[in-house]
Amino acid sequence: DAGVIQSPRHEVTEMGQEVTLRCKPISGHDYLFWYRQTMMRGLELLIYFNNNVPIDDSGMPEDRFSAKMPNASFSTLKIQPSEPRDSAVYFCASSRGQSPNYGYTFGSGTRLTVV
Amino acid sequence: SQQGEEDPQALSIQEGENATMNCSYKTSINNLQWYRQNSGRGLVHLILIRSNEREKHSGRLRVTLDTSKKSSSLLITASRAADTASYFCATVKRSNTGKLIFGQGTTLQVKP
Repeated sequence: DAGVIQSPRHEVTEMGQEVTLRCKPISGHDYLFWYRQTMMRGLELLIYFNNNVPIDDSGMPEDRFSAKMPNASFSTLKIQPSEPRDSAVYFCASSRGQSPNYGYTFGSGTRLTVV
Repeated sequence: SQQGEEDPQALSIQEGENATMNCSYKTSINNLQWYRQNSGRGLVHLILIRSNEREKHSGRLRVTLDTSKKSSSLLITASRAADTASYFCATVKRSNTGKLIFGQGTTLQVKP
C-alpha cells in the first residue's frame, strides 16, 4: 500500500491566487481528515469526512476554504483567494472503522507558502 | 482550543536513557493516541490506548492512561538517536468519535 498520497509536496503562490491541495486516502479507509500545522497554532483539524460526506467543518477558518470528497479515493482542499496567513503545512489523513479504534495514517503533507 | 497538552515542551537526553512525556486533556475521551513526527515529515501513529485500558506496550514504548486525572504518559526506554522527533498526544472525545484533536507536542532530542 502506498499510504496516503498528497500533492503537491510544495506550493508557492501569490496572494489572491487559488490553491488546490489534493489527497488520495488509503483504499478501504472510510474517514478522511484535513489538518493544518503551524508553529503558532500547532495541528488544527479543519474538516473531516466519513464515507465521502463532510461530518464536521467547524475548523475551516473561513469561507475562503472549501473541501470536497467526490469519491472514496480523492479529496481536495481549496483556498480562494489565498492569503499570506494561510502559509502552513497541510496534512491529509485517513482511517478505517466507524469509530477510530485504529490510528490515523497521515500523508507527507503539502507545504504552502503564500507570498 | 487543543484537547491535549504535553509536558515538557522540549526534552534532551543521552542515548540509552529513558524519555518520559506527559499529556493532559480536558474532557472524557474514547481513546488517546500518540504520534511521532520527524522534522519535515508527516505524523506516524505509535500507539492507541482506549479509555478502559490503563497501560499498553509496544516494543520500547510504554503508554499509561489515568482517566481520573485525565492524563497519559509515553515512556521510551533505551532511547536511540533515531528517536529524535516531536511526539504528540491526540484524543478522541467520548461524545464525538471520529474527531482526533492534537496537543502541542514534545520535542525530543536524543544525543548520541
